[in-house]
Amino acid sequence: LAKTTQPISMDSYEGQEVNITCSHNNIATNDYITWYQQFPSQGPRFIIQGYKTKVTNEVASLFIPADRKSSTLSLPRVSLSDTAVYYCLVGPTGGGNKLTFGTGTQLKVEL
Amino acid sequence: DAGITQSPRHKVTETGTPVTLRCHQTENHRYMYWYRQDPGHGLRLIHYSYGVKDTDKGEVSDGYSVSRSKTEDFLLTLESATSSQTSVYFCAISDPQGNTGELFFGEGSRLTVL
Repeated sequence: LAKTTQPISMDSYEGQEVNITCSHNNIATNDYITWYQQFPSQGPRFIIQGYKTKVTNEVASLFIPADRKSSTLSLPRVSLSDTAVYYCLVGPTGGGNKLTFGTGTQLKVEL
Repeated sequence: DAGITQSPRHKVTETGTPVTLRCHQTENHRYMYWYRQDPGHGLRLIHYSYGVKDTDKGEVSDGYSVSRSKTEDFLLTLESATSSQTSVYFCAISDPQGNTGELFFGEGSRLTVL
């Protein structure tokens, strides 16, 4: 499975847009890019998934360049409640795969 | 929220004792997983199951065994607990018929081995 690299931590202020980039140089043709969010004392929660170009849902956007060797999770107008750890995963969909989460990016949002 | 229940939620035990953590789901999802989470390591896959009686090892399986005799239950056993197995354990499930292969996680089980 493709290995991912993310920044360990990021700081932001309320109302700003936050972009978290994930590097996955050896992504395979059938791999998708999925982001999860984890709050303290809770299990991770699915945010968004994409294969190429741009995907947007009610909470985030995911930008994937043509070579798919990186991806950027964009959180518009963050609030204090967006303080969490964000994980980038790369692998096939459909379950049953050895998906590993890595250390993720700790986002801290301040007033 | 996905119907996933982990038990016990908290446990303190002594080195050398056996420990079993239970994950119970009401979603009838085929795939189930056990992860452990430690500071500085993120979540690491211990074992997973792709059906009743079908299991496979993850990246940190040493010292752990699993069993899945029913679709809804996935048990993680530490035959002889060690202090290095002090961690938070998360169970997850996924549906192979789903569009994204999204993982749904339980609330976690905090294990302390003294």
